[in-house]
Amino acid sequence: QVQLQQWGAGLLKPSETLSLTCAVYGGSFSGYYWSWIRQPPGKGLEWIGEINHSGSTNYNPSLKSRVTISVDTSKNQFSLKLSSVTAADTAVYYCAREAGYTYYYYYMDVWGKGTTVTVSS
Amino acid sequence: QSVLTQPPSVSGAPGQRVTISCTGSSSNIGAGYDVHWYQQLPGTAPKLLIYGNSNRPSGVPDRFSGSKSGTSASLAISGLQAEDEADYYCQSYDSSLSVWVFGGGTKLTVL
Repeated sequence: QVQLQQWGAGLLKPSETLSLTCAVYGGSFSGYYWSWIRQPPGKGLEWIGEINHSGSTNYNPSLKSRVTISVDTSKNQFSLKLSSVTAADTAVYYCAREAGYTYYYYYMDVWGKGTTVTVSS
Repeated sequence: QSVLTQPPSVSGAPGQRVTISCTGSSSNIGAGYDVHWYQQLPGTAPKLLIYGNSNRPSGVPDRFSGSKSGTSASLAISGLQAEDEADYYCQSYDSSLSVWVFGGGTKLTVL
């Protein structure tokens, strides 16, 4: 049973860089895309970006200039960095595994528990 | 605003059937991309409920069903139970934006 364990700093000041890591346990790391998704308080889900085991990335254009997603295949981990954060970046951040028979038809079948990130001066 | 449109809320009495709609456009649902549904219980991470428009992962009761037609999709929940009270989100791919898109979410209240 695949499990995702995520961690990172929960309180940031404006202009700092958000940094989160997600570790994959109990299943294959290669052959999948791995996503970051966020949910502002009381709001819906927003896809941030994704990476596969080879390091190929895709980002949401609305965040692309500030986002970097990287992978460490030796540890079965992937990470999110979001620079120049503001209060608008306050959200619960989730990591998730993408699955499906082919790209464009993927769904998120395994999710981390989420990390609450608050941006406040 | 979300690319996929869902009603903010729906409600029903125990035992009843409710449906939640998810309306998109020609660049996502209407382009043929699959629709997937997630259930988010209060204070928890989303959980995959329906994938590929109408398929249930192992462990999801058959009270939950999904369908898709044209530029819209629907999630139906029959035999409502108190434990079904949650937020529900649809998800698909948008070729114009090149992103995975979610609906704004629908809060289900079991009366």
